[in-house]
Amino acid sequence: DAGVTQSPTHLIKTRGQHVTLRCSPISGHKSVSWYQQVLGQGPQFIFQYYEKEERGRGNFPDRFSARQFPNYSSELNVNALLLGDSALYLCASSLASGSGYEQYFGPGTRLTVT
Amino acid sequence: AQRVTQPEKLLSVFKGAPVELKCNYSYSGSPELFWYVQYSRQRLQLLLRHISRESIKGFTADLNKGETSFHLKKPFAQEEDSAMYYCALSGSTSGSRLTFGEGTQLTVNP
Repeated sequence: DAGVTQSPTHLIKTRGQHVTLRCSPISGHKSVSWYQQVLGQGPQFIFQYYEKEERGRGNFPDRFSARQFPNYSSELNVNALLLGDSALYLCASSLASGSGYEQYFGPGTRLTVT
Repeated sequence: AQRVTQPEKLLSVFKGAPVELKCNYSYSGSPELFWYVQYSRQRLQLLLRHISRESIKGFTADLNKGETSFHLKKPFAQEEDSAMYYCALSGSTSGSRLTFGEGTQLTVNP
């Protein structure tokens, strides 16, 4: 198993544009979480999905949205990009929802907004 | 609200010296505490969690509820321990949500 995979690896967008980031969890994992990591800071929680339902949302504006598909892969969408959205976006998967389940992180997608 | 504080952004020690990475937290309920590590050019990975009480790669961490701390310790640092270390917290009612500290970059010099 290749572990959690994310695509694309990196991308550059212009202010006001929209972006979609993708995540494939480890086979058998049904929970996916998204984190934003700004340079020099720790990851910050954005969303968690479990069995295709939103289980948690961090303190992010409505420009951020996500969904989980029947195969448990997930997309993170960001509309009306701002310069401050430039960050590394991490996806993590776990067997199920709950702090007792270890989260496995992907390599991240580096988003640069110009 | 839950919060994790790592007071040292950078920590440098010599090989064979003891190392302690500090972590303090605030949470009103019963938290679960974790240490994550990111080696150069690798992805973030779990190092240890307080509930398992394991020693991983010689590292240990004890949850001190009175001082709301979860410091990471190793008696004899190795060069391969050089990495970024993040302390993280999960609340009993917050599902899989992790709250991370800002991280400590540990450098072990030869």
